[in-house]
Amino acid sequence: GENVEQHPSTLSVQEGDSAVIKCTYSDSASNYFPWYKQELGKGPQLIIDIRSNVGEKKDQRIAVTLNKTAKHFSLHITETQPEDSAVYFCAAKGGSYIPTFGRGTSLIVHP
Amino acid sequence: DAGVTQSPTHLIKTRGQQVTLRCSPKSGHDTVSWYQQALGQGPQFIFQYYEEEERQRGNFPDRFSGHQFPNYSSELNVNALLLGDSALYLCASSSRQGAPYNEQFFGPGTRLTVL
Repeated sequence: GENVEQHPSTLSVQEGDSAVIKCTYSDSASNYFPWYKQELGKGPQLIIDIRSNVGEKKDQRIAVTLNKTAKHFSLHITETQPEDSAVYFCAAKGGSYIPTFGRGTSLIVHP
Repeated sequence: DAGVTQSPTHLIKTRGQQVTLRCSPKSGHDTVSWYQQALGQGPQFIFQYYEEEERQRGNFPDRFSGHQFPNYSSELNVNALLLGDSALYLCASSSRQGAPYNEQFFGPGTRLTVL
């Protein structure tokens, strides 16, 4: 089955800095890669996603890149704000239509 | 729209007991998936229900079972609870149409503690 590795497990930045979270996947059949943000006491919320036929997607301060050849994808957050502090999960979805999640990255943005 | 709702919020049980968790999907959604999220881990897929039938199942023992009702709401049952079943149980709903790119909406989860 699919295996998703996510790094780093913890990321601490100053407000205004950029943050990058990286994930790798194992199943070449995976074709959809969502990213979720989970705040304390809440369920994961989709923040951005990318399909395998696209190399990059941007939504305001958030962007995601995908390298199908290397089987890795990354989340980029620019101009970080304290409210960006949360746990971020990457996921990969393929033929089974069920996403496999990474272990999460705890992002801490210091004011 | 209330989004995905789950009950109860928290639950404490002892080993060997049985538990039932409940989920109401987002309005317009017909598919419900259940996930187990251990502390410090990502959600792990338990199973998915569509048209009142279990359609896909993750690597979980038969102690984990479920049900989907005609109104699309769902229950997760866990029998013979073990200490290792302590986790946050998440319900996610989606619309079958548009798979595999259809967005899943997660509920806030039920925190289960097994003593």
